[in-house]
Amino acid sequence: DVKVTQSSRYLVKRTGEKVFLECVQDMDHENMFWYRQDPGLGLRLIYFSYDVKMKEKGDIPEGYSVSREKKERFSLILESASTNQTSMYLCASSFLAFPYEQYFGPGTRLTVT
Amino acid sequence: AQSVTQPDIHITVSEGASLELRCNYSYGATPYLFWYVQSPGQGLQLLLKYFSGDTLVQGIKGFEAEFKRSQSSFNLRKPSVHWSDAAEYFCAVGYPNDYKLSFGAGTTVTVRA
Repeated sequence: DVKVTQSSRYLVKRTGEKVFLECVQDMDHENMFWYRQDPGLGLRLIYFSYDVKMKEKGDIPEGYSVSREKKERFSLILESASTNQTSMYLCASSFLAFPYEQYFGPGTRLTVT
Repeated sequence: AQSVTQPDIHITVSEGASLELRCNYSYGATPYLFWYVQSPGQGLQLLLKYFSGDTLVQGIKGFEAEFKRSQSSFNLRKPSVHWSDAAEYFCAVGYPNDYKLSFGAGTTVTVRA
């Protein structure tokens, strides 16, 4: 079975802190994604990566950056956390080719105070 | 831009009754269609998917979905709901040569005894 793990299930940070969210997948997937999930808004894509050291902005990249140094690991970075970044963060991965089915991690609920 | 609409924000259904969740997509090209389920505090799990062929697809947990090109719809159904089906359900669409998925806002299902 595909496994996508995220480093923390719950995280509480203070405004202005630098925050790292880690995601690891064990299926040799080329694509990895970071989403944030907010009530009534569904999943919104923050960033994705289709190869090591490659990244592309999604729909809401402002205030975030990413790092992919190894194929299995994709990190989301909040350079200076703000209260409006309080949310559920979901990582996913998929093969580069069709059918693009994404596999999700359990999520990290981040609270910024 | 491609978009996915789930018209029902919240549905309440009695245990043992049937369930239908609606999903419409906006783009005209041949889509790849997915339904995911998210139990409270968890990541998303794939229920079923449609790429081509038979327009009625079977998934896990007794769910099925029907693709209707003329209506740009991919509605999810279950004949008899169990209390464990209480969750949030997301419809997603992808297209050839674009490995990103677009997600609907989700439908929350409550099951009453």
